[in-house]
Amino acid sequence: ETGVTQSPTHLIKTRGQQVTLRCSSQSGHNTVSWYQQALGQGPQFIFQYYREEENGRGNFPPRFSGLQFPNYSSELNVNALELDDSALYLCASSSRTGDSYNEQFFGPGTRLTVL
Amino acid sequence: GENVEQHPSTLSVQEGDSAVIKCTYSDSASNYFPWYKQELGKRPQLIIDIRSNVGEKKDQRIAVTLNKTAKHFSLHITETQPEDSAVYFCAASNSGTYKYIFGTGTRLKVLA
Repeated sequence: ETGVTQSPTHLIKTRGQQVTLRCSSQSGHNTVSWYQQALGQGPQFIFQYYREEENGRGNFPPRFSGLQFPNYSSELNVNALELDDSALYLCASSSRTGDSYNEQFFGPGTRLTVL
Repeated sequence: GENVEQHPSTLSVQEGDSAVIKCTYSDSASNYFPWYKQELGKRPQLIIDIRSNVGEKKDQRIAVTLNKTAKHFSLHITETQPEDSAVYFCAASNSGTYKYIFGTGTRLKVLA
């Protein structure tokens, strides 16, 4: 069984650019959630994908978007980057059974720096 | 809106002493409460969790208690060791929904 992986590890971008972050879910998991963790803060929920569709969204603007693929891996896209987007981006995978969601397991994160 | 408050923000204890971290949640529909440990530069790791149908759960030196009426839950670490030093996050979720609401974290330092 493999754990959650993310790429790249680190990324530096400038304001206005676009970025794509990638996540491979843990074997057997069908749900991926994305979180933003600013320095010294707890993770903030961005959105979740289940069966290739957005399943719920936190308080983030539309320039944050995502995808989930048939193999349950996922991408987070951020357009028009702002300085405040600098953070650790975490994905977490879990399994959904019926209407119940099980434990989320986190990847190592992507550290995004916006200059 | 949904909110989880976590206290204290920092906690220093002597090795061998106990540490207690407390969280309060606002959404009465929350029924799943995980705790994560995050070491510097690493991913959050699930260390223990509790569901609302029990009041306490223990795993070796770690225990979690839940008071649904007061909407409080706490993490208890006994016989602390230097390797327990990390940031600890509590979270609350309704297992029928999709998201975790995290607390702001507690930086635990265990002094040798």
